[in-house]
Amino acid sequence: DSGVTQTPKHLITATGQRVTLRCSPRSGDLSVYWYQQSLDQGLQFLIQYYNGEERAKGNILERFSAQQFPDLHSELNLSSLELGDSALYFCASSLGLAGGEQYFGPGTRLTVT
Amino acid sequence: AQSVTQLDSQVPVFEEAPVELRCNYSSSVSVYLFWYVQYPNQGLQLLLKYLSGSTLVKGINGFEAEFNKSQTSFHLRKPSVHISDTAEYFCAVTKNTGFQKLVFGTGTRLLVSP
Repeated sequence: DSGVTQTPKHLITATGQRVTLRCSPRSGDLSVYWYQQSLDQGLQFLIQYYNGEERAKGNILERFSAQQFPDLHSELNLSSLELGDSALYFCASSLGLAGGEQYFGPGTRLTVT
Repeated sequence: AQSVTQLDSQVPVFEEAPVELRCNYSSSVSVYLFWYVQYPNQGLQLLLKYLSGSTLVKGINGFEAEFNKSQTSFHLRKPSVHISDTAEYFCAVTKNTGFQKLVFGTGTRLLVSP
């Protein structure tokens, strides 16, 4: 158990819909990262938040957004969903902005039908 | 930018045999290197990491890896595998200063058979 929690574990929704994925980092970690894992793209970095502020963006679509709340949990919002958005979405956390390993949550499997 | 190449998409091996999973990276700056393992239907678990110091790093479950700067490699080894080691293994790299997103390889599926 990494100490990072994600909900829900599974999510099935239809095209055009909007969903919210939730992540709670390990106790004491200030950085939260979101990654997408799909068969064709592999593991891709989406976005990072540090202590409530967005710090870096990766291959994140404009239809996707995220935020980190004062209690440090984070939410990833996916809107206007397409079939190609079906993937595993991982949250990871680390202590600081830089400096070492990231600890991953169990992931949310999103299926868009 | 950093990149990672895992040349072997799948490595079949018999139980109790040794195994090496290959990882090569590319970067114009100094890096940190990691190996993660993903068991079926689970998240990623950190196996081991190289941040600095000794180039031979030991991780969990009997795995070890050696950082070779001249060959830009970070191969993962285990002297004797178990059935339970069957999983997907990902090598990852990040630059060692500033913002650090993990850049992952495509993964190597280790298949251990009796």
